[in-house]
Amino acid sequence: QKEVEQNSGPLSVPEGAIASLNCTYSDRVSQSFFWYRQYSGKSPELIMSIYSNGDKEDGRFTAQLNKASQYVSLLIRDSQPSDSATYLCAVNMGGGADGLTFGKGTHLIIQP
Amino acid sequence: EAGVTQFPSHSVIEKGQTVTLRCDPISGHDNLYWYRRVMGKEIKFLLHFVKESKQDESGMPNNRFLAERTGGTYSTLKVQPAELEDSGVYFCASSPRDRGGTEAFFGQGTRLTVV
Repeated sequence: QKEVEQNSGPLSVPEGAIASLNCTYSDRVSQSFFWYRQYSGKSPELIMSIYSNGDKEDGRFTAQLNKASQYVSLLIRDSQPSDSATYLCAVNMGGGADGLTFGKGTHLIIQP
Repeated sequence: EAGVTQFPSHSVIEKGQTVTLRCDPISGHDNLYWYRRVMGKEIKFLLHFVKESKQDESGMPNNRFLAERTGGTYSTLKVQPAELEDSGVYFCASSPRDRGGTEAFFGQGTRLTVV
């Protein structure tokens, strides 16, 4: 079964530090990788997408992809209390599958 | 610009009843997806429309679930008859055709409780 694995947390990080969120996936042919942020009771919000190996930076967020290791991560620099949320890793497994396969999410808490 | 809108936000029904969920995607988005999250589990893909056509319905759990998107605008997801295990949050998402279909914007979801 094709899976996306995340540590559920909670991951507690002091304000101003770097938060590091990790995700592994099982299907080697996966093509597209996404990080969603979800506040409690709200909709998942796309914050990063990455398609090729390496790093992709957008503001305080950096996504890292290593297809050989089947590993994708999200770094949040200068963490703010407003970054406290659940972060969902999602993968498009390819092979004709249209939808995303999600992990269960990591609950991130930024301590003031 | 309005986001993805889902109705109702909450629904409580008895086992055996019928419920219809509605999703209004972002205007002009050809791709429309339904997902579901049951308690303690990850969000799971149900199906994908491109305009009014079902592109992929491999995630639909069984034939008690029927999705439609007549006219290629809003979509409905009907559960008939509802069972206890259908409880969860049903999300709808949409994306433009040229975004590859996977950089999707999500609605806030419909929380369905079957008692």
